[in-house]
Amino acid sequence: AQRVTQPEKLLSVFKGAPVELKCNYSYSGSPELFWYVQYSRQRLQLLLRHISRESIKGFTADLNKGETSFHLKKPFAQEEDSAMYYCALSGGQAGTALIFGKGTTLSVSS
Amino acid sequence: GAVVSQHPSWVICKSGTSVKIECRSLDFQATTMFWYRQFPKQSLMLMATSNEGSKATYEQGVEKDKFLINHASLTLSTLTVTSAHPEDSSFYICSARSTGTQYFGPGTRLLVL
Repeated sequence: AQRVTQPEKLLSVFKGAPVELKCNYSYSGSPELFWYVQYSRQRLQLLLRHISRESIKGFTADLNKGETSFHLKKPFAQEEDSAMYYCALSGGQAGTALIFGKGTTLSVSS
Repeated sequence: GAVVSQHPSWVICKSGTSVKIECRSLDFQATTMFWYRQFPKQSLMLMATSNEGSKATYEQGVEKDKFLINHASLTLSTLTVTSAHPEDSSFYICSARSTGTQYFGPGTRLLVL
């Protein structure tokens, strides 16, 4: 079965601390993995996709097929990073919907 | 990036009435759009896949006669909540795919009294 698991509902860190938001997935084929972010009162925005292997706003995520994980990391958290983060997967074909994890709220305080 | 709009942004209706929500891709064409439902502080739940010119594909447990989807053009999909009840109150979000990335609308908050 297709499934995305985000084990942490809430992650609270201090400004400047490292951040790791965990994501594990279950999929029978070769999925595309994404991280989406939802800031307060804003729409869902794409943060990262694994195939592009880029860093956005200091965040990176590496797909580990052996551990079926796609954890999101940032070395130094900023207060403006506070938001809801969703890990999602897609079958990769056009017309395939995203399957979302339950999301992790990141709270960064000074 | 691509822009997806939704209208209305919020709606309040009486129980038993029907409500139509529009989802538009503003600067690209989308043969496929998706409708999600989001409960407070919870994740997005896929309701259905809207296919231009053909019937929508509904997820298990989603009543197709209750949530009517029409995708009449490459830039517009509509979701009609028929005979709405208070339990249909939720945040409805649509998305459309462009160049391999899904772009999301701002959502429509529905409150059924």
